[in-house]
Amino acid sequence: NAGVMQNPRHLVRRRGQEARLRCSPMKGHSHVYWYRQLPEEGLKFMVYLQKENIIDESGMPKERFSAEFPKEGPSILRIQQVVRGDSAAYFCASSTQGRETQYFGPGTRLLVL
Amino acid sequence: AQKITQTQPGMFVQEKEAVTLDCTYDTSDPSYGLFWYKQPSSGEMIFLIYQGSYDQQNATEGRYSLNFQKARKSANLVISASQLGDSAMYFCAMREGRRNSGYSTLTFGKGTMLLVSP
Repeated sequence: NAGVMQNPRHLVRRRGQEARLRCSPMKGHSHVYWYRQLPEEGLKFMVYLQKENIIDESGMPKERFSAEFPKEGPSILRIQQVVRGDSAAYFCASSTQGRETQYFGPGTRLLVL
Repeated sequence: AQKITQTQPGMFVQEKEAVTLDCTYDTSDPSYGLFWYKQPSSGEMIFLIYQGSYDQQNATEGRYSLNFQKARKSANLVISASQLGDSAMYFCAMREGRRNSGYSTLTFGKGTMLLVSP
């Protein structure tokens, strides 16, 4: 039973480019969460999605960031016009309905040059 | 105000000894959950143990146990018989909200780096 999959594991972008991060939840999980980990910090919640719906985006910056979880395919976190401050590890987690535990993917390390 | 506080930036322990990693939390919600995750140098986040606010007994999972003191709002992780592979960053996290709300988001502490020496 595969765990949460994220790709790419590492992503390098120049300032102004777009970054697309993908997350496939664990089999049977319909809830997806995105978190960001800045250097030397704990993870901070960004957005929570169910299939085709954004439920809670209270932790996501209002500009340049967007997320989706289409009916088919992985969840996508998209960062437009990246800046150096976007350099971080981005983690996706998934859970089943009514379950407490979120299981995390291996993360995508984004480096903006 | 910080909701999860981990006061130990780093901890050292010798192999086979027990170690306690501290975590205090702040919430006014009567229903909450506490988690510990391990992040090795490879970077992934590994779920270790969970404690619900209404659970009567302290959670245990193999060599991990959670020392839950509700009145003090602390949820310390105890690792017994440390192994070299336990060297990693450890994060305490809290879930708030109604148990059956359908979803929860986690608030993380800043982490404690544990180094196990031979």
